[in-house]
Amino acid sequence: GAGVSQSPSNKVTEKGKDVELRCDPISGHTALYWYRQSLGQGLEFLIYFQGNSAPDKSGLPSDRFSAERTGGSVSTLTIQRTQQEDSAVYLCASRGTGTSASEQYFGPGTRLTVT
Amino acid sequence: DQQVKQNSPSLSVQEGRISILNCDYTNSMFDYFLWYKKYPAEGPTFLISISSIKDKNEDGRFTVFLNKSAKHLSLHIVPSQPGDSAVYFCAASGWSTGTASKLTFGTGTRLQVTL
Repeated sequence: GAGVSQSPSNKVTEKGKDVELRCDPISGHTALYWYRQSLGQGLEFLIYFQGNSAPDKSGLPSDRFSAERTGGSVSTLTIQRTQQEDSAVYLCASRGTGTSASEQYFGPGTRLTVT
Repeated sequence: DQQVKQNSPSLSVQEGRISILNCDYTNSMFDYFLWYKKYPAEGPTFLISISSIKDKNEDGRFTVFLNKSAKHLSLHIVPSQPGDSAVYFCAASGWSTGTASKLTFGTGTRLQVTL
């Protein structure tokens, strides 16, 4: 039972470049979330995947952000044409079927710095 | 619009004393509340939760109190230990509305327990 893993742990990129952040959820967990924490802010919901249902994208801040989840497991968050305000820690969490909202297990996050 | 607010960014408490962390919310649709604890370079971990049908939930040294009329909750840690030093996030969701899929977080309070 490994926990949620994320890669890379740190990413420095130049403004305007695209980045991909990866999340490996706990095996068997059907729900997967992406959050981000900007400096001085709380965790901000970005997107939620549940099984084969259409994802809840209501938290994505702009159309530069997208995410996919392949085979109901690994997820990739892509940020196109990065901006300095995208600098934040991006956290992924997963949850098992039928469990409550409290049982979201978080990964260690990816710290993104846009220069 | 910050729907979950933690107005104290930091708190310092002596070992053995009580730590009280506060949280206010504005969305009356929230009916499930959680506290997460976060160490540096790690993802948040679930600590304790409370449903809106209760006003108190206790787990060992940790107790969460909910005052629905005031839209306020607090986390009490008694006695505080140096290992409790971390950032504590308050979070809320609308479980009964079927939208427990995402959590709304506060900005966190950094607790330091001194010897």
